[in-house]
Amino acid sequence: EVQLVESGGGLVQPGGSLRLSCAASGFTFSSYAMHWVRQAPGKGLEYVSAISSNGGSTYYANSVKGRFTISRDNSKNTLYLQMGSLRAEDMAVYYCARGELRAPFDPWGQGTLVTVSS
Amino acid sequence: EIVLTQSPATLSLSPGERATLSCGASQSVSSSYLAWYQQKPGLAPRLLIYDASSRATGIPDRFSGSGSGTDFTLTISRLEPEDFAVYYCQQYGSSPTFGGGTKVEIK
Repeated sequence: EVQLVESGGGLVQPGGSLRLSCAASGFTFSSYAMHWVRQAPGKGLEYVSAISSNGGSTYYANSVKGRFTISRDNSKNTLYLQMGSLRAEDMAVYYCARGELRAPFDPWGQGTLVTVSS
Repeated sequence: EIVLTQSPATLSLSPGERATLSCGASQSVSSSYLAWYQQKPGLAPRLLIYDASSRATGIPDRFSGSGSGTDFTLTISRLEPEDFAVYYCQQYGSSPTFGGGTKVEIK
């Protein structure tokens, strides 16, 4: 069974940092691009970041560029999102998802909640 | 960036009725790279439709997608109780973007 499991969310103060992880299983992780999508409480979906299958190419939404870093360890079948200079508007559930270039996202992980508050 | 606008924001219908959800794009979506997702409270989005009209694995045939260019539609032919949820469209032809969502609620 294809599965994605996020972890690492929690409470962080404004200006702080946090690293999210997404553990993949049930498929050849190194063959797929991966994505992070977030959803603020009661709001819609916002595309955050992407990384190619070999990690050589990355993409960031303007809202997180310069503050977030996406990476992956194909030997550990794990995707990461290093988040820095966190703001109140970064508070959201963060989902990882599998998706190749010009392909839909499927499946998604269950999400991990990031709360930014003092 | 392609902006997707979904309408209506909320659709109030009864079980058994037909639901028609719209997704408009600010510019043409290349090769109909458009998907629809269903999201229920507390759960992750689930892929329903991809490439504008292809059903994902395990999706019932009461769900159908149509459209091309800048105008796309998700139709649920007869609403079942489990279909009341929020639906999002997404284009993945260029930098992916999502629409704002349509909530299908019980009337």
